[in-house]
Amino acid sequence: LAKTTQPISMDSYEGQEVNITCSHNNIATNDYITWYQQFPSQGPRFIIQGYKTKVTNEVASLFIPADRKSSTLSLPRVSLSDTAVYYCLLASGGSYIPTFGRGTSLIVHP
Amino acid sequence: EPEVTQTPSHQVTQMGQEVILRCVPISNHLYFYWYRQILGQKVEFLVSFYNNEISEKSEIFDDQFSVERPDGSNFTLKIRSTKLEDSAMYFCASLSPTGILYSGANVLTFGAGSRLTVL
Repeated sequence: LAKTTQPISMDSYEGQEVNITCSHNNIATNDYITWYQQFPSQGPRFIIQGYKTKVTNEVASLFIPADRKSSTLSLPRVSLSDTAVYYCLLASGGSYIPTFGRGTSLIVHP
Repeated sequence: EPEVTQTPSHQVTQMGQEVILRCVPISNHLYFYWYRQILGQKVEFLVSFYNNEISEKSEIFDDQFSVERPDGSNFTLKIRSTKLEDSAMYFCASLSPTGILYSGANVLTFGAGSRLTVL
């Protein structure tokens, strides 16, 4: 199974940009990179997904270099409500069982 | 925005009792999943379900667990004889039919979860 590696935790302050990098050295050609967010006592929630280059939506941006061996989730101007665990997963067609790692626990301070 | 609905939100039960957790997936989704998360630990895959049968299951999903879709809308997880270590949040998720045909759309929608406490 393809594996992802991300920092266990990060701290930031309100108004700052936060970048969380995920390594996926063994990414397959048909894998998409998907990020989820999980608040305490809630289910994971989809944030963003990309295949290569850059993807942006109303919540975040996702930067993927040409070799696709890593990706960076960028959260612009975080607020206290962005305190959550962020998971990087690889998604592909066919039999699809999303596998969650430990994720990155982001704490945003006032 | 369509939601996955789970009930109950919290259930307390005695060890050895049977528990049924219920989920209403998004109406046009065809793939259904159960995950669990023990407090402070990872979100763990239990089972996936498609076309009225289990498609994949993890080692956690032993004979004490079962799933069914009794009426075409509800998707249930049954634990026959609960143990203390079954205490966890249980999340239901569903995946749209386009999620398999077009891998770029493989996005699961999770419910808010059911907290199970086994005493």
